Amino acid sequence: AQRVTQPEKLLSVFKGAPVELKCNYSYSGSPELFWYVQYSRQRLQLLLRHISRESIKGFTADLNKGETSFHLKKPFAQEEDSAMYYCALSRGSTLGRLYFGRGTQLTVWP
Amino acid sequence: NAGVTQTPKFQVLKTGQSMTLQCAQDMNHEYMSWYRQDPGMGLRLIHYSVGAGITDQGEVPNGYNVSRSTTEDFPLRLLSAAPSQTSVYFCASSSGLREQYFGPGTRLTVT
Repeated sequence: AQRVTQPEKLLSVFKGAPVELKCNYSYSGSPELFWYVQYSRQRLQLLLRHISRESIKGFTADLNKGETSFHLKKPFAQEEDSAMYYCALSRGSTLGRLYFGRGTQLTVWP
Repeated sequence: NAGVTQTPKFQVLKTGQSMTLQCAQDMNHEYMSWYRQDPGMGLRLIHYSVGAGITDQGEVPNGYNVSRSTTEDFPLRLLSAAPSQTSVYFCASSSGLREQYFGPGTRLTVT
């Protein structure tokens, strides 16, 4: 079975501070990991995926297979980063199906 | 392209009523899913489809039915609404391992 855990329901930081949103997963195979973001009252949208190894809006995430983690990081948080962030996992055997964590609500204070 | 569209945006139902939430996509994606979003629970998969005529259950399928007669449409039916089905419902589509595209959501209240 697979499971995605986001241990922090709420996370608050001040503008300019570093931020790290944690995501741990359990899956015996080779998963593909994603971070989705949902700004207030908007639809979910993809922020980044591990296979792309890119930085979007200053965010990065590295897949650590040893620790089974995919933490999302940004060195200097901005107020517009305030949103709900979801970590999600995809299995090769069930294409098109995502397994989501419970989400972390990030608030960046001015 | 309109992407993924959902109707209605808001709906209030009485317990026991039935209704259909509509979802359509114009990206020719083979995979489509329905999720419900509840505070503290994240997104939970209700049903999904890997192509026209093929559907399967997700984590929380009870009380919901789906069908996929065309590639574009994937309606979700509530058979007999219950207050526990008060939620925000999102439809999504994708072409396999690539990004899932989400609709704007339907906010449903069951009284």
